[in-house]
Amino acid sequence: DAKTTQPPSMDCAEGRAANLPCNHSTISGNEYVYWYRQIHSQGPQYIIHGLKNNETNEMASLIITEDRKSSTLILPHATLRDTAVYYCIVGDMRFGAGTRLTVKP
Amino acid sequence: KAGVTQTPRYLIKTRGQQVTLSCSPISGHRSVSWYQQTPGQGLQFLFEYFSETQRNKGNFPGRFSGRQFSNSRSEMNVSTLELGDSALYLCASSSFLAGVYEQYFGPGTRLTVT
Repeated sequence: DAKTTQPPSMDCAEGRAANLPCNHSTISGNEYVYWYRQIHSQGPQYIIHGLKNNETNEMASLIITEDRKSSTLILPHATLRDTAVYYCIVGDMRFGAGTRLTVKP
Repeated sequence: KAGVTQTPRYLIKTRGQQVTLSCSPISGHRSVSWYQQTPGQGLQFLFEYFSETQRNKGNFPGRFSGRQFSNSRSEMNVSTLELGDSALYLCASSSFLAGVYEQYFGPGTRLTVT
């Protein structure tokens, strides 16, 4: 079973920041947090990963709490093309159900 | 670098038949994982191969099997197909560097069993 818990769905207005939460309370000290997304009928796409520190790349930012039991993926200016299922994964790459993000005009 | 390729992209089979799907990983990646995705069950891990050896296995019946060749290409086989095997089968090529495990997915093979 997946080690993470995510809300099943979220909406976001186009141009606004999308903040996707993930709980991973059983994370081990050396396990990374990974985020992927899957646009309809395509293979999942890697977004970002982190261990302890906050991370940012051209796609998103990842905020990890100090106790590492939860994290938030931030898409700073969501576009319609960001509509997808977002997966938060810890450890051994078992995917959960993810969060279906819908970006609305 | 070329991405992960999977062949065929679409396949229609009949119940009871068997099927073989192929995956070519990113050059230099030695790990290949397979996933099954259905609307009802989501993305489920089948197995992972590393250097021609199965390293991890999900909770699927023995009808699902795989192998990896010396060039890291991988195949998965499903025997005695059932209607419930209709799904998108995804292959992921992985690199493991400095404790970071990144997976890169192929486009998938959509299998329809009639």
